[in-house]
Amino acid sequence: AQRVTQPEKLLSVFKGAPVELKCNYSYSGSPELFWYVQYSRQRLQLLLRHISRESIKGFTADLNKGETSFHLKKPFAQEEDSAMYYCALSPNRDDKIIFGKGTRLHILP
Amino acid sequence: ETGVTQSPTHLIKTRGQQVTLRCSSQSGHNTVSWYQQALGQGPQFIFQYYREEENGRGNFPPRFSGLQFPNYSSELNVNALELDDSALYLCASSAGQQAYEQYFGPGTRLTVT
Repeated sequence: AQRVTQPEKLLSVFKGAPVELKCNYSYSGSPELFWYVQYSRQRLQLLLRHISRESIKGFTADLNKGETSFHLKKPFAQEEDSAMYYCALSPNRDDKIIFGKGTRLHILP
Repeated sequence: ETGVTQSPTHLIKTRGQQVTLRCSSQSGHNTVSWYQQALGQGPQFIFQYYREEENGRGNFPPRFSGLQFPNYSSELNVNALELDDSALYLCASSAGQQAYEQYFGPGTRLTVT
């Protein structure tokens, strides 16, 4: 079964502290992995994808096929990082995206 | 260039009724995908339309149907509404079928009473 698991509903982190949002996936093939973000009163938008291996807004995510994980990390949290984060996968890199339930990241001042 | 728009913003329907939600894709995009997001959940894929043809479907019953028009705008129709259909319905458009290129609209909040 294709599934994305985000074990934390809410993660509170102090400003300047490191952030790690956990994501595990279940898929037998080679999916494409993403992180989406939704800031308050804004629409869902792509943050990064594993293939591009970019760092966006200081965030990075490494695909670990052995552990089937795609955790999102940032070394120093900023207040503007407060948002809802969704891990997602696309089987066969086309059509549908399968989302996790999301983690709300709350950056404390 | 305009982004993805959806209408209406929100609406309330009664169980058993039918509803039509609309989506205008971003300029230059020929693919539209629809998602249902229940409260506290991530978006769940309903189906995708590519050049006016259904191009993939999630685990939703046939009472969820759609259309895509020649200008690539799209409709989502839900018949025989049930209370569990209450959710935020998201539309996403893309220039091709590649999932990562999808740009999301603001959503339509449907409440079924």
